[in-house]
Amino acid sequence: DTEVTQTPKHLVMGMTNKKSLKCEQHMGHRAMYWYKQKAKKPPELMFVYSYEKLSINESVPSRFSPECPNSSLLNLHLHALQPEDSALYLCASSGTTNSPLHFGNGTRLTVT
Amino acid sequence: GENVEQHPSTLSVQEGDSAVIKCTYSDSASNYFPWYKQELGKRPQLIIDIRSNVGEKKDQRIAVTLNKTAKHFSLHITETQPEDSAVYFCAASKIEAGKSTFGDGTTLTVKP
Repeated sequence: DTEVTQTPKHLVMGMTNKKSLKCEQHMGHRAMYWYKQKAKKPPELMFVYSYEKLSINESVPSRFSPECPNSSLLNLHLHALQPEDSALYLCASSGTTNSPLHFGNGTRLTVT
Repeated sequence: GENVEQHPSTLSVQEGDSAVIKCTYSDSASNYFPWYKQELGKRPQLIIDIRSNVGEKKDQRIAVTLNKTAKHFSLHITETQPEDSAVYFCAASKIEAGKSTFGDGTTLTVKP
């Protein structure tokens, strides 16, 4: 069983669409993350939320907009994406920012 | 910032042999070193981790060693099995950084 749940599993969107990725965890973790992963590469950090506040933005383009409505939920809003943004988007959580990451199964995003 | 180098990038072993993957890190203040296994099409999962106050940790066929002076840590897998075939990522972090830095990954293939 996956303790971090991501929806949807797959998403195909055009460059003019607006869509959202969702992530939920019920482990009481106070740090939540969005990562982007391309094939055969390590996960690339995009955003970190600590205690529901955005603590790290790794210079991600504004077409990606994160949101943390509460301590269990994390969203990633997508708008005007480019084909090169096609990737696996992984959500993760951890007890602190210096403890094991628990990854969700990811959303496979294709931008056409 | 932290830089983590991981070697080798690919490793092929015969079933039953041992496999060793090595990582070096640059920031002497890093104090937490996890290893993640990612099978094809699946999410990364923690397999073992070590903190800087410990030199070695073992969990059945998997062990991790840490040399703080040399700033390197290694993953050792003994009696390898085909199901050990995956991509393995090392990472390093410290609480002040608020994030983990990943190595580039090692693709391990265990031949039956």
